[in-house]
Amino acid sequence: GEDVEQSLFLSVREGDSSVINCTYTDSSSTYLYWYKQEPGAGLQLLTYIFSNMDMKQDQRLTVLLNKKDKHLSLRIADTQTGDSAIYFCAEGYQTGANNLFFGTGTRLTVIP
Amino acid sequence: EAGVAQSPRYKIIEKRQSVAFWCNPISGHATLYWYQQILGQGPKLLIQFQNNGVVDDSQLPKDRFSAERLKGVDSTLKIQPAKLEDSAVYLCASSLEREAVEQFFGPGTRLTVL
Repeated sequence: GEDVEQSLFLSVREGDSSVINCTYTDSSSTYLYWYKQEPGAGLQLLTYIFSNMDMKQDQRLTVLLNKKDKHLSLRIADTQTGDSAIYFCAEGYQTGANNLFFGTGTRLTVIP
Repeated sequence: EAGVAQSPRYKIIEKRQSVAFWCNPISGHATLYWYQQILGQGPKLLIQFQNNGVVDDSQLPKDRFSAERLKGVDSTLKIQPAKLEDSAVYLCASSLEREAVEQFFGPGTRLTVL
């Protein structure tokens, strides 16, 4: 659970959809998470998906999980300037220590 | 419900000095985590407590880092002596129990070592 990769930057226009991608290597993770970090702030949990699910929708957020390819994505519909932040995906486990393994983060910039 | 509290928010020290960070988790949360987030990277776990016992400290540089959670509530992370590469944001998180799905993060302490 220590190899979680994300692209570093993404720019979108306000009102468009954003898609942030993440790949991971450990298929034994129990949950996969998306966290948001605004400048100078801690991490805010946006959503998570159990590893036996394919999709989860929560208002403007849609999470897709492709277990075969070990690929996770977060789609933000109708992206707003307030969505500008760094987005981290993370793997979590419910056995043992249950810590989280984070990706490097994707900086989303929303252009007005 | 109050969130995870951390102090100080910022700290600047010179190398070889010592520093301590404090965390107060959400009331009733048994599990407490300290993460280190170096600029441009994701957070990495340093240590995890379950009540006042250590669950995982395998990534904690024990020659210079120490942490305690004596009464099973708030926690202190100490660095002594600090090195330049310790410059980072130190994040505290808590969860209701070890198997809980959600971890709640505090705002972090930004440490600069000169």
